[in-house]
Amino acid sequence: KAGVTQTPRYLIKTRGQQVTLSCSPISGHRSVSWYQQTPGQGLQFLFEYFSETQRNKGNFPGRFSGRQFSNSRSEMNVSTLELGDSALYLCASSFLGTGELFFGEGSRLTVL
Amino acid sequence: KNEVEQSPQNLTAQEGEFITINCSYSVGISALHWLQQHPGGGIVSLFMLSSGKKKHGRLIATINIQEKHSSLHITASHPRDSAVYICAVPSFNTDKLIFGTGTRLQVFP
Repeated sequence: KAGVTQTPRYLIKTRGQQVTLSCSPISGHRSVSWYQQTPGQGLQFLFEYFSETQRNKGNFPGRFSGRQFSNSRSEMNVSTLELGDSALYLCASSFLGTGELFFGEGSRLTVL
Repeated sequence: KNEVEQSPQNLTAQEGEFITINCSYSVGISALHWLQQHPGGGIVSLFMLSSGKKKHGRLIATINIQEKHSSLHITASHPRDSAVYICAVPSFNTDKLIFGTGTRLQVFP
């Protein structure tokens, strides 16, 4: 069974640009959650989607948004990038959202 | 006070040693996650537990709900166990995960 796939794995952007990251969950999983990891703040919850609906949202500004499609694939978007958005962005899928999490390898974003 | 605290922050061990990593939390929870992160970033879920003890190979996780404390034990540690170990709990009344700061483990041959 294929794991969670995140694309792209690495990307470099400049301040003010926007970025879209993609996450394909394990087949059959309906929940996708997103996390930001930085050296200073550690791992922080961004949001969670279940059956195309956002169920939970972390304490991030409105520049961070996401969505989930009918095939459970999810995207997250960060607009007007700031230097502090440089981070590893991880997504995880689970069957129901309250069970074991399966993580992707992450998308490492560098903002210059 | 952080809602999830781990100790120690850093841990070095010789191959074969018994390792214990601790996690304390302040919120009421439905379950606690133990995660492993290797250099390069990928995270693997080791355990999700809500009571008692779970064992997988050389790894053992225990949780005491009344004391709001969990431990992760590694028996007969090996250099390939070198990683960051992170505990996480859902925040009260939601499924938003709150993460500990992680324990960096290095096991030397």
